[in-house]
Amino acid sequence: GAGVSQSPSNKVTEKGKDVELRCDPISGHTALYWYRQSLGQGLEFLIYFQGNSAPDKSGLPSDRFSAERTGGSVSTLTIQRTQQEDSAVYLCASSLVPGRQDTQYFGPGTRLTVL
Amino acid sequence: GQSLEQPSEVTAVEGAIVQINCTYQTSGFYGLSWYQQHDGGAPTFLSYNGLDGLEETGRFSSFLSRSDSYGYLLLQELQMKDSASYFCAVRVHPLYNQGGKLIFGQGTELSVKP
Repeated sequence: GAGVSQSPSNKVTEKGKDVELRCDPISGHTALYWYRQSLGQGLEFLIYFQGNSAPDKSGLPSDRFSAERTGGSVSTLTIQRTQQEDSAVYLCASSLVPGRQDTQYFGPGTRLTVL
Repeated sequence: GQSLEQPSEVTAVEGAIVQINCTYQTSGFYGLSWYQQHDGGAPTFLSYNGLDGLEETGRFSSFLSRSDSYGYLLLQELQMKDSASYFCAVRVHPLYNQGGKLIFGQGTELSVKP
């Protein structure tokens, strides 16, 4: 596609429910990143994929968070037993690695609200 | 720990020049990037410095001094559409090892007034 796409754009859920967030990176981009942005804050790194493997998952806040990537393309971020503190915008980015500067291209994000 | 410091907000008038500073303390350093984010939108890449000095891209320039752990973004001939949040971000690992994880600052909200 022309850019990184994410779905859904908005998700409202009740505390304790599981949610799945999807990211479609730019075609051919081998690297994929998930970040989280709370209101008025910077972006917080969650996990990085190179192909289908995740060499860096150091930012996942707890074992309720998991992510996978299949076919070197689409990625899904799953949050189990959601908590109110999980409310944030979840951003996905992709890049063509290796590259001198590794420009990351971001999707529009999924706004997650946990009631 | 990792920290990037930048001013929370800056106000300037149309046509003026504004500089947004960023100082960093990170476990590793493999380049400083700047991203722009309009309200509710996706962050978009503006500039990158891997080495000391000035990089110029149209109205935007970015500077890096690795010895001072400091960089800045310079915006010239400000336009109303430049009103947005600006984030500095440091890559803390080499690309060949653990990839391009970015550590972001908290962002500087730029307001451009007529």
